Amino acid sequence: QVQLAQSGAEVKKPGSSVKVSCKASADTFRSYTLSWVRQAPGQGLEWVGRIIPIVDQTSYAQKFQGRVTIAADKITNTAYMELSSLRSEDTAVYYCARELDDSSGPFDQWGQGTLVTVSS
Amino acid sequence: EIVLTQSPATLSLSPGERATLSCRTSQNIGSYLNWYQQKPGRTPRLLIYDASNRASGVPARFSGSGSGTDFTLTISSLEPEDFAVYYCQQRWNWPVTYTFGQGTKLEIK
Repeated sequence: QVQLAQSGAEVKKPGSSVKVSCKASADTFRSYTLSWVRQAPGQGLEWVGRIIPIVDQTSYAQKFQGRVTIAADKITNTAYMELSSLRSEDTAVYYCARELDDSSGPFDQWGQGTLVTVSS
Repeated sequence: EIVLTQSPATLSLSPGERATLSCRTSQNIGSYLNWYQQKPGRTPRLLIYDASNRASGVPARFSGSGSGTDFTLTISSLEPEDFAVYYCQQRWNWPVTYTFGQGTKLEIK
């Protein structure tokens, strides 16, 4: 059973924007925090930002401040991550991940990932 | 910003052997550390949370320990499916930040 279903792969030009979606169950949207984590080819995991959908509260990694916007649609139980001013270094798989209600912030469920390729 | 440093970068072992992976943090984080496994082309899988609690469905051969700045993930007897990349991760609340280690690749010797 797919808990977090992400939108499909994207190819974008440098300088443009991309918007990735993550559809969750109603329970997940009501009760959990959702984060976005990216992974460049052959590289490690990097946190981008998060949203608490029930209160629409967002937090972003300093590296992406001003370039990323995370939002939640409580009617469709879908979270969105929009990244602007894309550059080649933004080529990565972008994951949405559900965070357990725990002080250490563990991610217990992950979307299947969305490959974003930035190329001229 | 808290930095997580994993060692070794690569660990070469044989099935049946014991694996010990390390994660060191730049600040004291108590027991608030998590471990993930990632296989090629797959999404990360939560193994251990709060340093020593196994996530749902994780086999008992995986265990976590440590507190403060030094943490360890131990796999007591390696199975063929355990060869993967392992990441540690923590959350800091002021400001909200999540950090991952750079990963340890566990490969078959």
